Amino acid sequence: DTGVSQDPRHKITKRGQNVTFRCDPISEHNRLYWYRQTLGQGPEFLTYFQNEAQLEKSRLLSDRFSAERPKGSFSTLEIQRTEQGDSAMYLCASSSSNIQYFGAGTRLSVL
Amino acid sequence: GIQVEQSPPDLILQEGANSTLRCNFSDSVNNLQWFHQNPWGQLINLFYIPSGTKQNGRLSATTVATERYSLLYISSSQTTDSGVYFCAVEQRAQKLVFGQGTRLTINP
Repeated sequence: DTGVSQDPRHKITKRGQNVTFRCDPISEHNRLYWYRQTLGQGPEFLTYFQNEAQLEKSRLLSDRFSAERPKGSFSTLEIQRTEQGDSAMYLCASSSSNIQYFGAGTRLSVL
Repeated sequence: GIQVEQSPPDLILQEGANSTLRCNFSDSVNNLQWFHQNPWGQLINLFYIPSGTKQNGRLSATTVATERYSLLYISSSQTTDSGVYFCAVEQRAQKLVFGQGTRLTINP
């Protein structure tokens, strides 16, 4: 088992462009989470899937953000019309019990 | 929502020293995890400890759920222990709420 995998590790984009991140959870983990972490802060919850169902979304997840987990395995997080304030580390985690395991994150820089 | 406060925010120690990091939370929780974030941003699981005491090598943790705090002990610190330590709690709905972290620097 290779753990939670995120791709890409780094993304630099221009303001107004769309970006998509991918997360592959630990196999057989039915729960998948997205968090965002800005410099000097702890991670903040964005959204959560159980299998393919998106069960909760944070107020942080504006209309420009969408997340999917179409077959209950990998997940994608898309940000449309990126803004400089979207610059952050986007972290994915998965669990099958109470313990969440995190990937290495995707660091997004919006110029 | 639930509040999580960690102290101290920064801690600078010499190699070999011991340290205690504290996490206070404002309401009862179902889950508490301690993480170490390395310089590359990876969050490493240290403990799942909603109550009681656990030890893993030089690290140990204690959570007193009735008093709403948890402590992380690091003994005989090494330079590789440097990084940010986060406490995170889950109250409901599976989402973790993180504290602001303690930045630990171990000097050789």
